[in-house]
Amino acid sequence: EVQLLESGGGWVQPGGSLRLSCAASGFIFSDYAMNWVRQAPGKGLEWVSSVNAFSGDTYIADSVKGRFSISRDNSKNTLYLQMDSLRVEDTAVYYCAKAITATSPRPHSWGQGTLVIVSS
Amino acid sequence: QSALTQPASVSGSLGQSITISCTGSSSDVSSTDYVTWYQHHPGKAPKVLIFDVIKRPSETSHRFSSSKSGNTASLTISGLQAEDEADYYCSSYTTRRTEVFGSGTKVIVL
Repeated sequence: EVQLLESGGGWVQPGGSLRLSCAASGFIFSDYAMNWVRQAPGKGLEWVSSVNAFSGDTYIADSVKGRFSISRDNSKNTLYLQMDSLRVEDTAVYYCAKAITATSPRPHSWGQGTLVIVSS
Repeated sequence: QSALTQPASVSGSLGQSITISCTGSSSDVSSTDYVTWYQHHPGKAPKVLIFDVIKRPSETSHRFSSSKSGNTASLTISGLQAEDEADYYCSSYTTRRTEVFGSGTKVIVL
């Protein structure tokens, strides 16, 4: 059974940084692309970033480009999201999601999410 | 990348059928077979109902079906049940190798 456990969320002031982690189990982590998706309070789902399985190619939404970066450590079965220069509008539940293939985002299996609050 | 367009809410009575539309553009829905539909109950992880436009995971009820024509995908829920009340999202792979979600539709069971 696919299990994804996000951690690292919390409260941070505008301009601050956080690093989210997603511990994966129940599947061969290195074989699948991985995603971060977020949901701001009262809003819909927004794709944030993805990283391919083999090439390590990364893709990122325009709304966070230059501030967020995604990475993965296949030896630790862990996905990361480094978030810098955080803004109030980055407040959201951040979900880690396993893709259905190695090379395209296509979120398929999701974690329970971790809450990030950006506020002064 | 703008969100795909979905109706804010759709309602139906128990046992009825409803359809949710998802309209994109030449950069996403109309250029790919990778359209996914999710069901999201608040506070829970989103769940895939349909992927690759029409494929249904084994755990998805046959009451859920989907189609695509041009830049619009559609999800139909037949035999509406109380537990179908939730938020529904479409998503599409894009020509930029990114993913874009729909604006979300709240299904209300009357």
